[in-house]
Amino acid sequence: GAVVSQHPSRVICKSGTSVKIECRSLDFQATTMFWYRQFPKQSLMLMATSNEGSKATYEQGVEKDKFLINHASLTLSTLTVTSAHPEDSSFYICSARAPGGAYGYTFGSGTRLTVV
Amino acid sequence: AQSVTQPDIHITVSEGASLELRCNYSYGATPYLFWYVQSPGQGLQLLLKYFSGDTLVQGIKGFEAEFKRSQSSFNLRKPSVHWSDAAEYFCAVGVTGGGNKLTFGTGTQLKVEL
Repeated sequence: GAVVSQHPSRVICKSGTSVKIECRSLDFQATTMFWYRQFPKQSLMLMATSNEGSKATYEQGVEKDKFLINHASLTLSTLTVTSAHPEDSSFYICSARAPGGAYGYTFGSGTRLTVV
Repeated sequence: AQSVTQPDIHITVSEGASLELRCNYSYGATPYLFWYVQSPGQGLQLLLKYFSGDTLVQGIKGFEAEFKRSQSSFNLRKPSVHWSDAAEYFCAVGVTGGGNKLTFGTGTQLKVEL
């Protein structure tokens, strides 16, 4: 079946540094990927829609210069948190639209980011 | 804009008992509806989805959900809960023309007592 691999699963970084999170579709091509942020015991909030070969579409209130998204190939999207601060600590999850219809979404296993 | 409400933040059931998790949506037309399950520190796994057709949808792990247009609901059910079903459950709605984005409810935390 459709598998999405997200790496790393956990990362701790110092305040002011940048962190890159990768989202790969392993056995299918994903023209569209989505990045979510989830605070503890809360729901998933869509941050941006990543389209292969074009600029990402950010949701209202999401700083595009802080959360850089690159979707350079049909199997890889990356989210870079630039100049990270403790308030950026969160659980980040990606999803990809798998074959089988517009809503064949598959989710990655998430990345726990802790900024110290 | 579409929205999803999951009225129950926490639910506790005994193993072997039946389960119903509530989900209400707000959207002017027929939405696409989903139920996902999330274990701690993990991503989301799709349990089932409704696009059209039969309003009673069967999913994985013995779950089912029924779409009721008159009540704007898509409640998740399972006749007999297993301890391994303890997790967070999210209802989500997707709409046509919305960039295929999903809007999630706030989730229901299920605890199973042995």
